Amino acid sequence: KNQVEQSPQSLIILEGKNCTLQCNYTVSPFSNLRWYKQDTGRGPVSLTIMTFSENTKSNGRYTATLDADTKQSSLHITASQLSDSASYICVVSAETGANNLFFGTGTRLTVIP
Amino acid sequence: DAGVIQSPRHEVTEMGQEVTLRCKPISGHNSLFWYRQTMMRGLELLIYFNNNVPIDDSGMPEDRFSAKMPNASFSTLKIQPSEPRDSAVYFCASSLVTGGADTQYFGPGTRLTVL
Repeated sequence: KNQVEQSPQSLIILEGKNCTLQCNYTVSPFSNLRWYKQDTGRGPVSLTIMTFSENTKSNGRYTATLDADTKQSSLHITASQLSDSASYICVVSAETGANNLFFGTGTRLTVIP
Repeated sequence: DAGVIQSPRHEVTEMGQEVTLRCKPISGHNSLFWYRQTMMRGLELLIYFNNNVPIDDSGMPEDRFSAKMPNASFSTLKIQPSEPRDSAVYFCASSLVTGGADTQYFGPGTRLTVL
């Protein structure tokens, strides 16, 4: 069964600290993996998109990793800021096309001063 | 560009009423997606269009839901009749092309409450 699981469900960290969010998937055949950031009351915004051959991709203070062998991805946030408080959603595509999208339920990150 | 535009932003209606949600994709984008998001189920893809043609509606929950895209700059998602379990945030997203590693740009969403 194609599934995407994220951990932890929620996380609270102090401003300036680093954190890592996890995404494990069983989707096959794999096409790509996306990380989205969703602020409260807003639509998701794409952070990174990774294909099978990519194992690291950065977007500012956000760095995503992908291990296609173990079917795991992580999103590392460096030097967290209050504005990083949001939900982070992992989405895995099977094959190509949007008709095979599998969504994680997200990690709710809260950064406190 | 103003991004993906959705209207209304909030909708409160009574069970049994017809609800129409509207979306204007980013100009020049060829693909449009409708999603539903709830606390229990997270984000779910309902349907997507490529060049105004519905490609996959397997995510549409039941016949009460229908979506149209009469032209490249407008799409609607209709629920008739609405039920309380339809309460959710509905997002529209667009992308230049379908699938692959193309980025989808989401609108602000419509929060629907069915009483």
